[in-house]
Amino acid sequence: SQQGEEDPQALSIQEGENATMNCSYKTSINNLQWYRQNSGRGLVHLILIRSNEREKHSGRLRVTLDTSKKSSSLLITASRAADTASYFCATDGPRCEKLTFGTGTRLTIIP
Amino acid sequence: DTGVSQDPRHKITKRGQNVTFRCDPISEHNRLYWYRQTLGQGPEFLTYFQNEAQLEKSRLLSDRFSAERPKGSFSTLEIQRTEQGDSAMYLCASSLERFFGPGTRLTVL
Repeated sequence: SQQGEEDPQALSIQEGENATMNCSYKTSINNLQWYRQNSGRGLVHLILIRSNEREKHSGRLRVTLDTSKKSSSLLITASRAADTASYFCATDGPRCEKLTFGTGTRLTIIP
Repeated sequence: DTGVSQDPRHKITKRGQNVTFRCDPISEHNRLYWYRQTLGQGPEFLTYFQNEAQLEKSRLLSDRFSAERPKGSFSTLEIQRTEQGDSAMYLCASSLERFFGPGTRLTVL
């Protein structure tokens, strides 16, 4: 079963705009991670944020985590056509043994 | 390229046949994970290894599925008596950050 839900399920924006995706989860977590997946390909790890962190940056990516609301957001700034992909959040528990994925947001960047 | 490789990349088989997939993780990573992903869904956990020990198995892993990791290096995932419902992308990942391989896409006819 899926732990999280991404919102929205699909998002289309113009190139250069910012894209924000949200993720909600149900149980306590140790870490939350974001991944990108191009159609029919494997997953690419984007960023990991620990449960005691509130915000993390990596290049054009900004991730926030609110453990009180059990939610996270991924912001991609100055979007590019190459950012077109599905984005998944994933959480793991205290023993970091099982990564549970959400259902994904399909992002389309319009050139 | 994450350094995790999977073979084959695509497999088409007839219902009832057995199939085996291989994953080669990043060499210094002692954790290895298997996931399954169906179209339009996020990956679902199947099982994971710490070195050669299989430490957890999902309920998704029926008795037709078996995974091994001899000597704590590469891993194999075998599906016996395949069913059409087994059609999916099978993903392997290593380390806590889960560096994923490119996956093996299985189609059962």
